[in-house]
Amino acid sequence: AQSVTQPDIHITVSEGASLELRCNYSYGATPYLFWYVQSPGQGLQLLLKYFSGDTLVQGIKGFEAEFKRSQSSFNLRKPSVHWSDAAEYFCAVGSSTSGTYKYIFGTGTRLKVLA
Amino acid sequence: ETGVTQSPTHLIKTRGQQVTLRCSSQSGHNTVSWYQQALGQGPQFIFQYYREEENGRGNFPPRFSGLQFPNYSSELNVNALELDDSALYLCASSYDPVANYGYTFGSGTRLTVV
Repeated sequence: AQSVTQPDIHITVSEGASLELRCNYSYGATPYLFWYVQSPGQGLQLLLKYFSGDTLVQGIKGFEAEFKRSQSSFNLRKPSVHWSDAAEYFCAVGSSTSGTYKYIFGTGTRLKVLA
Repeated sequence: ETGVTQSPTHLIKTRGQQVTLRCSSQSGHNTVSWYQQALGQGPQFIFQYYREEENGRGNFPPRFSGLQFPNYSSELNVNALELDDSALYLCASSYDPVANYGYTFGSGTRLTVV
C-alpha cells in the first residue's frame, strides 16, 4: 500500500541551528513528492516538490530536500533555522490509483524553535 | 493571482445535523480536492472535482458529498453529522487532477460537532 512515514512527531532546535526532517515513502512507481508547512490555524503552504530531474530540490524560505530512491526518502533540510520556521511540516506523495489522483500525507512533524 | 478562499472559518454543529462548506478556487485552476484533517493527523483525501464532475473519492461514506460549479468553486456537504466528523476541512485547487505542480490550499474550515 502507498504510504508516507514521518518518524519524528516533534523536533526542537535552537535558532540558527541546522534542521533535517525525515520522510520515507512507499510507492511503486516514480513518485511525485512534496513538502508542505502549516502554521497554527492555517492551511498548507507548498515548500517544494520533486517529480523528476535533479534529486536535490530547492524550495522557498531557504528549504531544500533530497530525493533518495534507494532509501525511499525525501528529507527536508535547512542550514539555519529562524524562529518563524516553527510550524508543522507535512511530507506527501502524489498517488494515482484507478484514475483517482490524490496526495497521501504523513502525520506531520511539529517543529519548535528555541530562541 | 487570488488564492483559495474557504468559508466559514469556524462552525459548530450538533450531531445529526447537516453542513455545507464552501471553497473558491485559485484563478486558473479547474480542479478542486477536499481533505479532512483530524487533530494531530495529516490531511486525508475526501474527493476531487474536475470540470463539475466527481473525479475520484477516498474512503469516506456517501453522506460526504460535493459539487463543483461552472466557475470552479466548490461545496462540501456532510449529512447526519457524527462526533468524529470534527476536523479541519481543507480545500485545495490545482491546474489539473494530477496536481504534480502542487495544490494551493485554503486556510480551512474548522468544524466542531457536539
